[in-house]
Amino acid sequence: EPEVTQTPSHQVTQMGQEVILRCVPISNHLYFYWYRQILGQKVEFLVSFYNNEISEKSEIFDDQFSVERPDGSNFTLKIRSTKLEDSAMYFCASRKTGNEQYFGPGTRLTVT
Amino acid sequence: SQQGEEDPQALSIQEGENATMNCSYKTSINNLQWYRQNSGRGLVHLILIRSNEREKHSGRLRVTLDTSKKSSSLLITASRAADTASYFCATDKGGNNRLAFGKGNQVVVIP
Repeated sequence: EPEVTQTPSHQVTQMGQEVILRCVPISNHLYFYWYRQILGQKVEFLVSFYNNEISEKSEIFDDQFSVERPDGSNFTLKIRSTKLEDSAMYFCASRKTGNEQYFGPGTRLTVT
Repeated sequence: SQQGEEDPQALSIQEGENATMNCSYKTSINNLQWYRQNSGRGLVHLILIRSNEREKHSGRLRVTLDTSKKSSSLLITASRAADTASYFCATDKGGNNRLAFGKGNQVVVIP
């Protein structure tokens, strides 16, 4: 069964560094999402992406964040200058045309 | 903004018992979904109920939706040790389908 994959599973970075989190959505899906979950807190929406552009973003998704679909398969989240509070689990999700979103296993980002 | 909000319960039950958890939300929705998360893992979609539906079943799962009370419940019947996980409700108001998650209910099923 097709699934969403994410790499790396764990990323440790120093404050101020740039990180790129990678996702490979399910191949025939059209809508892509990033969410994050700070330890012990809710899963929060960051951004949705459709037809090669951002369709919606949350208040969290400020100028430090960007997303890209550089080719037909990858979907990336870049954080330009990481802060301690960016430490979280980042989930990628995709969907075809129905409402069900398929989530990847997540990337745990630790900013030191 | 809309948000799913589970009752902040940590359930500990014996294998074979039923587990019920609740979720309330604040605004109009297109659908409500339940997800499971095993410790440190990704979110697995369990079931979706649309705003015009009142009850839905999938295997051992039963979900109800009361739009007048803006609440939903998830029942897991005949629980198994493998059901041990955190369970989240998420509301979807349509459009871009951004999901608004609740805080999650931790369920421990004791063999």
